Amino acid sequence: NAGVTQTPKFQVLKTGQSMTLQCAQDMNHEYMSWYRQDPGMGLRLIHYSVGAGITDQGEVPNGYNVSRSTTEDFPLRLLSAAPSQTSVYFCASSGRPGQSYGYTFGSGTRLTVV
Amino acid sequence: AQRVTQPEKLLSVFKGAPVELKCNYSYSGSPELFWYVQYSRQRLQLLLRHISRESIKGFTADLNKGETSFHLKKPFAQEEDSAMYYCALSVMWGAQKLVFGQGTRLTINP
Repeated sequence: NAGVTQTPKFQVLKTGQSMTLQCAQDMNHEYMSWYRQDPGMGLRLIHYSVGAGITDQGEVPNGYNVSRSTTEDFPLRLLSAAPSQTSVYFCASSGRPGQSYGYTFGSGTRLTVV
Repeated sequence: AQRVTQPEKLLSVFKGAPVELKCNYSYSGSPELFWYVQYSRQRLQLLLRHISRESIKGFTADLNKGETSFHLKKPFAQEEDSAMYYCALSVMWGAQKLVFGQGTRLTINP
């Protein structure tokens, strides 16, 4: 049981490049989210999904796209990277109440945009 | 609007001393609150959730709706408690959407 798997662990991008951060979970969780972690700001929600085919914006969605074609996968796309997107990105998943409650987090992707 | 405030960015205590990490929230609905812990360069782990009223690693937290607080406490700190602690508020039923505080870095001195 791998839990929540994120790839890559580290990435350096040039301004204007695009890339996809991968997230996969094997716990059959319905709910998945992407957060970014910045010093002094805690974790801020980028996008979330309550099931396959359903996504919605969080607190800081600009510059990011998501899709949820399967229950297992929830990739995050950076459309045109900017230095302000330098951060640590965490993917998380959660089951319904009564199942596993509270989010399980991935190990994070440390992204630097130069 | 929903908000979680952790007033202390840094907290340093000696081993064996009591620890209290403060968390205050602002939310018009019925709150569901969590504490998450992040050890050095590791993933966040769920430490406590208020609905279960459990004690994990000696930590407890009580929801005080009158003071809108969910402070994390431990009577005797241990060196392995050094970590980053985040208080989080669920703003959708079932913890689908969490609002996090800014975090408190706890350092336990030997």
